[in-house]
Amino acid sequence: GAVVSQHPSRVICKSGTSVKIECRSLDFQATTMFWYRQFPKQSLMLMATSNEGSKATYEQGVEKDKFLINHASLTLSTLTVTSAHPEDSSFYICSAFTGDQYFGPGTRLLVL
Amino acid sequence: GEDVEQSLFLSVREGDSSVINCTYTDSSSTYLYWYKQEPGAGLQLLTYIFSNMDMKQDQRLTVLLNKKDKHLSLRIADTQTGDSAIYFCAETDSWGKLQFGAGTQVVVTP
Repeated sequence: GAVVSQHPSRVICKSGTSVKIECRSLDFQATTMFWYRQFPKQSLMLMATSNEGSKATYEQGVEKDKFLINHASLTLSTLTVTSAHPEDSSFYICSAFTGDQYFGPGTRLLVL
Repeated sequence: GEDVEQSLFLSVREGDSSVINCTYTDSSSTYLYWYKQEPGAGLQLLTYIFSNMDMKQDQRLTVLLNKKDKHLSLRIADTQTGDSAIYFCAETDSWGKLQFGAGTQVVVTP
């Protein structure tokens, strides 16, 4: 149990386009989901906390207009990277919180 | 600096024990976790320890917690090649937000 999926697993896009990443809890409901970003050989940095039915809470230094988060249901949160630039290339990981945090497999974003 | 610190690299021979160390700063952490990340993959929860425990053993994994020194360690007995990965320790606050260390790259050699 407690499986979290992410889609897509990897995406390549042109600079200036927007990319949407989905995070789903498959067999449980999660009122809270977290979005992390991981640079190569570095730790995970929390970007934002996504709460179902309310606005996301962003960590300091994370642009909320750049990284749009929508937690429309108890099993789905989406992260949209708007007007992506090469410096947004990274590994994005979500997690769903239900007592413990369960992580998705991650999405590799490459912006050309 | 980071609130959770780990050594960055550990090399161990197959069959030996691995010990990964971690220090943290938040004394109010309720749970402390160890996660495993294989290349290009998300995080897999390995084990966790409640803050009022000193030790937890789970098959080949032993977690030791020294709350006074805010030191956490993970021992992997009989290390196998499949144990090669990055290991993250993490502490959590009461809201469920995790603070990760930088990760320890474990390389298992034959």
